[in-house]
Amino acid sequence: DSGVTQTPKHLITATGQRVTLRCSPRSGDLSVYWYQQSLDQGLQFLIQYYNGEERAKGNILERFSAQQFPDLHSELNLSSLELGDSALYFCASSVAGVYGTDTQYFGPGTRLTVL
Amino acid sequence: GDSVTQMEGPVTLSEEAFLTINCTYTATGYPSLFWYVQYPGEGLQLLLKATKADDKGSNKGFEATYRKETTSFHLEKGSVQVSDSAVYFCALGSSASKIIFGSGTRLSIRP
Repeated sequence: DSGVTQTPKHLITATGQRVTLRCSPRSGDLSVYWYQQSLDQGLQFLIQYYNGEERAKGNILERFSAQQFPDLHSELNLSSLELGDSALYFCASSVAGVYGTDTQYFGPGTRLTVL
Repeated sequence: GDSVTQMEGPVTLSEEAFLTINCTYTATGYPSLFWYVQYPGEGLQLLLKATKADDKGSNKGFEATYRKETTSFHLEKGSVQVSDSAVYFCALGSSASKIIFGSGTRLSIRP
């Protein structure tokens, strides 16, 4: 158990809909990262927040957005969903915000299926 | 740009066999290198890391040495077990760039 929690575990929805994925980092970690894992694209970094502020951005679509709240939990919002958005979405956390050199601890993931 | 290339799988071995999963990288500067493992139905877990040239990371019998001259970080284990069956990801990170994961290598160990 990494100490990172993600809800829900599974999500099934329809094209055009909007969903919110939630992540709680390990106690004491200030940074949260979001990743998308799909069969054809592999593991793709989406975005990082550090202590409430956006720190780094990866291959995140404009239809997706995220935020980190004062209690450090984070939400990833996916809107106007398309079939191709079906994937596993992972959240990770780390102590500091030195992206790339910190050890990241991953949650169990949310499996999103868009029908 | 920075990139990571790891050997394609799947890799199938018998229990107690020697394992090598190759990983090479391209990077500017001095990146940190990682191996993460993903067991079925779970998220990624850090297996080992190395932060500078000639560092050796080790954990659970796995080892990898940061080789700057060959830009490599190959994962090795002397005697694999069925419980090592998983997907292994090589990754590169630096403060100046995004963390980049390789495509993953699926390892299956036969009893």
